[in-house]
Amino acid sequence: GAVVSQHPSRVICKSGTSVKIECRSLDFQATTMFWYRQFPKQSLMLMATSNEGSKATYEQGVEKDKFLINHASLTLSTLTVTSAHPEDSSFYICSAAGSYEQYFGPGTRLTVT
Amino acid sequence: QKEVEQDPGPLSVPEGAIVSLNCTYSNSAFQYFMWYRQYSRKGPELLMYTYSSGNKEDGRFTAQVDKSSKYISLFIRDSQPSDSATYLCAMSFKFGNEKLTFGTGTRLTIIP
Repeated sequence: GAVVSQHPSRVICKSGTSVKIECRSLDFQATTMFWYRQFPKQSLMLMATSNEGSKATYEQGVEKDKFLINHASLTLSTLTVTSAHPEDSSFYICSAAGSYEQYFGPGTRLTVT
Repeated sequence: QKEVEQDPGPLSVPEGAIVSLNCTYSNSAFQYFMWYRQYSRKGPELLMYTYSSGNKEDGRFTAQVDKSSKYISLFIRDSQPSDSATYLCAMSFKFGNEKLTFGTGTRLTIIP
C-alpha cells in the first residue's frame, strides 16, 4: 500500500508555543489530505479537510486560527498548532487520498506542558 | 446520539476463536463501510471496505453490511495473537477522497 509519513512522531512543547506537524505522501500525489485527532481510547475526530492549493475546510467546533493547515503541494500538508495549551495534547493523524482509498500516517503524539 | 456507535470493549478471546465486531449507524446515506486496524501508537490501516449491503471475504476476515438495519460486522476466523489491536469501523458517502466518520474502536486481545 501507499506510504504516508508524519514528522515528528512525538513532540513535547511548552504552553504558549507553536508546533508544526508535517504529513507527506511518499509515493503518490494526494489531492486531498485530512487531519484527525484522537484522544486516548476514543475515536478519530476529523478536524479539517485540505485540498492542494486551496483553503482548508474545518469541521464545526475546530478553531481555524488555532489549527493552521497548509497544503502547499500534492505531497505535503502541514498542521500548525498555535499558542498550544495542555488541552491540545493529543494524537494527531493525517490521511492522504489519491483517486481511491485513504492512507493514514503513523500519527504524531503532541504533549503540551 | 453519535452517528456511529461501536462497543469499545475491551474484548479478549482465546487464540483460534471466531471474533465478531459490530457497529451501528444512524445516517442512511452512508454507502461505503470500512474496517481499520490500529496498533498501539500507530495510524489506522485499512482491512476491508464494502459498498452498500452484502458480504465480503478476504482470507480470515469477513465484512457484512445490513443497510436495512444500519448494522455492520467484521468477523475474524482462526484468530491469532497478531490480530490483537483496536478495530475501528468507518463510513463515508463516497470512496476515496471523502471524509470518514469513525466508530470509537474496539480493543481486541487474542490470548495465546
